[in-house]
Amino acid sequence: DAGVTQSPTHLIKTRGQQVTLRCSPKSGHDTVSWYQQALGQGPQFIFQYYEEEERQRGNFPDRFSGHQFPNYSSELNVNALLLGDSALYLCASSLRSAGNTIYFGEGSWLTVV
Amino acid sequence: AQSVTQLDSQVPVFEEAPVELRCNYSSSVSVYLFWYVQYPNQGLQLLLKYLSGSTLVKSINGFEAEFNKSQTSFHLRKPSVHISDTAEYFCAVSDQKDSSNTGKLIFGQGTTLQVKP
Repeated sequence: DAGVTQSPTHLIKTRGQQVTLRCSPKSGHDTVSWYQQALGQGPQFIFQYYEEEERQRGNFPDRFSGHQFPNYSSELNVNALLLGDSALYLCASSLRSAGNTIYFGEGSWLTVV
Repeated sequence: AQSVTQLDSQVPVFEEAPVELRCNYSSSVSVYLFWYVQYPNQGLQLLLKYLSGSTLVKSINGFEAEFNKSQTSFHLRKPSVHISDTAEYFCAVSDQKDSSNTGKLIFGQGTTLQVKP
């Protein structure tokens, strides 16, 4: 049973550029959430997708956007990158009807220079 | 709104000694409680969770946590730690009653457990 998979594992971008991160949820899961974990901090909730719509959003600017596809996979897009966007981006999946167990991927390390 | 406070940023302990990692939460509604572990350069792994029922929950690798509603705490304990337990530990909560909150966890700042030989 494949868990939550994310790509790429590591990437380096320049300030002002745009980045797209990808996530495939655990088999059988229909809800995907994205988190940002800055160095030495706990993860912060960015947003959640279910049925291809953004259902909840944390305190992140509109530069952060996402998408969910019919196969439940998801993308996180960040525009106009800032140095402060450097972080580990974690994807988490769950089954909405039993949403009290959430599984995380290994994350995508983004460095903005 | 919920918040989570992990009272210790770092906990050094010798191998085979007992350990307690403290977690307190604040919430106006009932919550589910979780402990996640993060090994260096890896994602988060669910260690254990409290959803309902017995307030003492256990993991397969010897950790346990007890939900104390009156003290709004969910401390993590292990009677004898191993070098391999060295990692970052995160306490988290989610809103129990709002189904739209599925997948939204509020995390503490984390506690670094450093097990020394």
